[in-house]
Amino acid sequence: QQQVKQSPQSLIVQKGGISIINCAYENTAFDYFPWYQQFPGKGPALLIAIRPDVSEKKEGRFTISFNKSAKQFSLHIMDSQPGDSATYFCAARDYNTDKLIFGTGTRLQVFP
Amino acid sequence: KAGVTQTPRYLIKTRGQQVTLSCSPISGHRSVSWYQQTPGQGLQFLFEYFSETQRNKGNFPGRFSGRQFSNSRSEMNVSTLELGDSALYLCASREGRSTDTQYFGPGTRLTVL
Repeated sequence: QQQVKQSPQSLIVQKGGISIINCAYENTAFDYFPWYQQFPGKGPALLIAIRPDVSEKKEGRFTISFNKSAKQFSLHIMDSQPGDSATYFCAARDYNTDKLIFGTGTRLQVFP
Repeated sequence: KAGVTQTPRYLIKTRGQQVTLSCSPISGHRSVSWYQQTPGQGLQFLFEYFSETQRNKGNFPGRFSGRQFSNSRSEMNVSTLELGDSALYLCASREGRSTDTQYFGPGTRLTVL
């Protein structure tokens, strides 16, 4: 019940395309859903985050869509660029334990 | 403000040895969490410290331990190293217990031979 299932494991997108990464969860105690971006040799960096009281949040080319009833959330990267090539992790915070549970990651490659 | 710093960045040890990793949080941040990152298991939570007290713990054996000092700097120790302990160890800091956003350091790459 503590898991966050992330898919796909890897994604190849052409420059200018839309990258979509999906995550699903079961635990209804999750109340905060961040996405992290990690480049090789670096630690994860917060990209964008959402709370379950909104269905969508947009920051620049990055959008989180949140479906509370389906217990799913996704990251959309519009106009994908080669510089977006990185590993993306979704996560969810359990408000009972205050622990952040991470998905297994998606390696995104954007080709010019 | 300077980001989260971790030392050393790379470490090679042999089985049975012990290792200590260090983390300096962002100035003013009082909470420090540690994670283990491996290709197979992803990011796994080790423990969190706030004001020198461990307030949360993941599912790792007792060989993994940590502490936090009065200046919020934190160390984690792994004793009796095993090959499976090879991983990237990440430290993350946040302002306080009720703050959502965690800021990660670059990690310490530990290789156990």
